[in-house]
Amino acid sequence: DTEVTQTPKHLVMGMTNKKSLKCEQHMGHRAMYWYKQKAKKPPELMFVYSYEKLSINESVPSRFSPECPNSSLLNLHLHALQPEDSALYLCASSQDGRGPVTEAFFGQGTRLTVV
Amino acid sequence: ELKVEQNPLFLSMQEGKNYTIYCNYSTTSDRLYWYRQDPGKSLESLFVLLSNGAVKQEGRLMASLDTKARLSTLHITAAVHDLSATYFCAVAAGTYKYIFGTGTRLKVLA
Repeated sequence: DTEVTQTPKHLVMGMTNKKSLKCEQHMGHRAMYWYKQKAKKPPELMFVYSYEKLSINESVPSRFSPECPNSSLLNLHLHALQPEDSALYLCASSQDGRGPVTEAFFGQGTRLTVV
Repeated sequence: ELKVEQNPLFLSMQEGKNYTIYCNYSTTSDRLYWYRQDPGKSLESLFVLLSNGAVKQEGRLMASLDTKARLSTLHITAAVHDLSATYFCAVAAGTYKYIFGTGTRLKVLA
């Protein structure tokens, strides 16, 4: 199983709403990532969790709040977003940064629209 | 700060032709990856390049890495329509950080 599963696939939310994006993997990977991708642009790293601890926060606004409840799950909590936050949010996982191969496997993404 | 550039940004080519996509990066790195992305879809891993001189081939695609020149190439042989997609290189900038290139949008015309 080399799958990273993200839910929901599409999400429309108002600027006052609170919502969460979910990501799950069962490959035994210990590093999990959130990326944001705007149309026709490369993915931009937001957060990295390693062994369920936050390792990297790329100065992401606090209206995005990540959570890693266990080694298989990664959430991204959203609150008071702005229309410019509309994008494709991609979750990824990799074995472990310390191994010889740290290829990241990506989920299908959540297409988020903020209205 | 690591910067990763690809060229060309856009590539329109005829079926059956050959072409090369270039990925240049600004600081030393020991890992480079190539991904493919279809419109509105996720990223599919194509190649993992871990050492200077590494060459990997899969079907009509071949990737290589020159760490001294900080350059990777993705060569397309006898292109077919199914190869139409956006191709990204990604360079490791630390244990968990991958910096993606600007992307190359490839369109193969029948």
